[in-house]
Amino acid sequence: ETGVTQTPRHLVMGMTNKKSLKCEQHLGHNAMYWYKQSAKKPLELMFVYSLEERVENNSVPSRFSPECPNSSHLFLHLHTLQPEDSALYLCASSQGGHAGWFTEAFFGQGTRLTVV
Amino acid sequence: GIQVEQSPPDLILQEGANSTLRCNFSDSVNNLQWFHQNPWGQLINLFYIPSGTKQNGRLSATTVATERYSLLYISSSQTTDSGVYFCAVERNYGGSQGNLIFGKGTKLSVKP
Repeated sequence: ETGVTQTPRHLVMGMTNKKSLKCEQHLGHNAMYWYKQSAKKPLELMFVYSLEERVENNSVPSRFSPECPNSSHLFLHLHTLQPEDSALYLCASSQGGHAGWFTEAFFGQGTRLTVV
Repeated sequence: GIQVEQSPPDLILQEGANSTLRCNFSDSVNNLQWFHQNPWGQLINLFYIPSGTKQNGRLSATTVATERYSLLYISSSQTTDSGVYFCAVERNYGGSQGNLIFGKGTKLSVKP
C-alpha cells in the first residue's frame, strides 16, 4: 500500500476521445505531481501542484489538462491525444517544506495509456 | 539543468550474489531517492537519502553529497529483486520546485 492510488490502471483510447486519469493520496501531503514514462526515456515531470496551485508546467501540450480540486486529488484530463502520447503516467505526492524543498515522493501504480 | 547518470545500465546476477549500483549527479542536491520499478510499472520507494548511509534489510545506500554520488548495495540478491532501479534527485533553484530528475535506470535481472 503506497498511499497513492491511480485509476484506471489501463486505458485504451482513440485520438478523438476524451478521458481522465485520477489520482488520490492518503498521506496528508500538500503537493502532487504527474510524471510521464515513455519507452526508452527517463521519467519526465509534467505538472506539479503545491497547495492546490500549479507551480510547474513542464512545457506539456495543451491536450493534457491537469486539475487539482483539493490536496488529496489530482486529475489529468486527456483530449485529442496522439499515438506518441502512449506511455505510463505516474502520479506522486510529497510534502512541500520551507524554501520550496520537497520531501520524499511516493508514487502510485501508474496508468498505462495506449492511444490508437 | 542537473544531470543524473546511473551505472551500469544493465546487470545480470546469479541468485545470492551481491551488487552495487551507482548514481552520479552534476550539482548539489536537496533530495535524492532510490526507487525500484517492478514489472507492472510501480515505483517502490527504497531510500530517501540526500546524504549519509541507510540500511533496510538486504539493501543499503550511501550518498556522498560533497562528491556528488550515491551507491545502492544489494546483498544476497533474489529473483524478486529483478526490475529497474532508479535514482532521482531534486535541486531547488529559482522557480523550480518539486522537480525530481530521474536517471535512466539500471535494469537488474536475477537468475535462479
